Amino acid sequence: SAVISQKPSRDICQRGTSLTIQCQVDSQVTMMFWYRQQPGQSLTLIATANQGSEATYESGFVIDKFPISRPNLTFSTLTVSNMSPEDSSIYLCSVELMLSYEQYFGPGTRLTVT
Amino acid sequence: KNQVEQSPQSLIILEGKNCTLQCNYTVSPFSNLRWYKQDTGRGPVSLTIMTFSENTKSNGRYTATLDADTKQSSLHITASQLSDSASYICVVSAKYGNKLVFGAGTILRVKS
Repeated sequence: SAVISQKPSRDICQRGTSLTIQCQVDSQVTMMFWYRQQPGQSLTLIATANQGSEATYESGFVIDKFPISRPNLTFSTLTVSNMSPEDSSIYLCSVELMLSYEQYFGPGTRLTVT
Repeated sequence: KNQVEQSPQSLIILEGKNCTLQCNYTVSPFSNLRWYKQDTGRGPVSLTIMTFSENTKSNGRYTATLDADTKQSSLHITASQLSDSASYICVVSAKYGNKLVFGAGTILRVKS
C-alpha cells in the first residue's frame, strides 16, 4: 500500500494569487496524478506528474495555469496560478503502484478562492 | 465516448439494512472496474477491483459484482452501519492509456 500526505489540507486564497500544493508518498512510485474535485462532482484528472520531465496534461488543463513539479519518485507539487473563484475545489494527489491496479489517493487539499 | 453512470444519485437507509448501488459503463476496451468509498473531506479509498474474468468480489460487508457482457456492476452493502455514510464511486479503467473514468458517485446516508 501507499500512504500519501498533502499540504496544506485547506486554504482560503484571494483571487489573482497562486497556491502550491505538496504531495508526499511514503514509497517510490512510478505514476503520480493530480485530480480536481469540484463541489458535488466526481474527480477529474488534471495531469500525470512525470519524474524528470514535463507533466502530461488532460484536455482543458494547461501548464501555465497548473504547473507541476516532480523532482523525485516520492514528491510532487501542483500550483494553482492566478486563482479565480472557479478554482475553488478539492485537489487530490494520487499514485499507482507498480505491477498493481491499485490507485491510492491523498486526503486532498480544499481550496476556497474569494 | 467512455462513460460511467451510477444510480441512484443518493440514498438514505436505516442502520442495519442492506442496499445495492448500480454502475453502468461504456468504457472500451475494458481493463478493470473499481469501487471507491469517499468519506466527506477525505480522499477516495479502494473497496474492490475486478478484472474481466471476475464476476464477484467481497471486502467485508461490501460485495461487488461485475457483468462484463452487459457492462454493469453493483455494490451491495450488508448490515449497514452509520460509518458507511459516504460517497461511493464506480471507476472503470480502459485497457490502454492508463486512464480512469469516474462515475459521479452515489451518496449514501445511513441513519439510526
